Amino acid sequence: LAKTTQPISMDSYEGQEVNITCSHNNIATNDYITWYQQFPSQGPRFIIQGYKTKVTNEVASLFIPADRKSSTLSLPRVSLSDTAVYYCLVGLNYGGSQGNLIFGKGTKLSVKP
Amino acid sequence: DTGVSQDPRHKITKRGQNVTFRCDPISEHNRLYWYRQTLGQGPEFLTYFQNEAQLEKSRLLSDRFSAERPKGSFSTLEIQRTEQGDSAMYLCASSQVAGGGPYEQYFGPGTRLTVT
Repeated sequence: LAKTTQPISMDSYEGQEVNITCSHNNIATNDYITWYQQFPSQGPRFIIQGYKTKVTNEVASLFIPADRKSSTLSLPRVSLSDTAVYYCLVGLNYGGSQGNLIFGKGTKLSVKP
Repeated sequence: DTGVSQDPRHKITKRGQNVTFRCDPISEHNRLYWYRQTLGQGPEFLTYFQNEAQLEKSRLLSDRFSAERPKGSFSTLEIQRTEQGDSAMYLCASSQVAGGGPYEQYFGPGTRLTVT
């Protein structure tokens, strides 16, 4: 399964756009890239998932270059409530595999007023 | 649908005691996963079920850990003869897997275990 590397922590201010980059040099052809968010004392929450190019939903965008060796989670205009740990995951195989998630240490985002 | 629920939310036990945690997944989900999370680390996969079948259990931390999902609905995770190193957050997640394609896992709030 592909290993991911992301910054341990990031700081931002309210209203700014935050970009968190994750590297996954050994990503396999059929791997998707998924981001989860976790608040203290809560389970992780799915944010976004993509395979290539760009994916956007109501809370975030995910940018994936052509070689897929990295990805960037973009959070527009963050607020204090976006302070959390963000995990980048790859290695989900489908069609019958166990599909468990392999979490790293994540990126702790701190949003300041 | 109220999401994935776990019970209890907190458990304090003495070393050597047995503990059991319960997870109720989202009702139509066929897969159920257990993870453990220690402070400062991401969740660590333990085991998973597809309906009532436990398809992967080699990642359970030791033979003191066991899990069941008797009727393909709720699941229990038991830790026998607890040790202080078992202190952690135990997370349950569920998903609906049908055919190929990506899917997301929905996590419960977790059960925080403290072994004294």
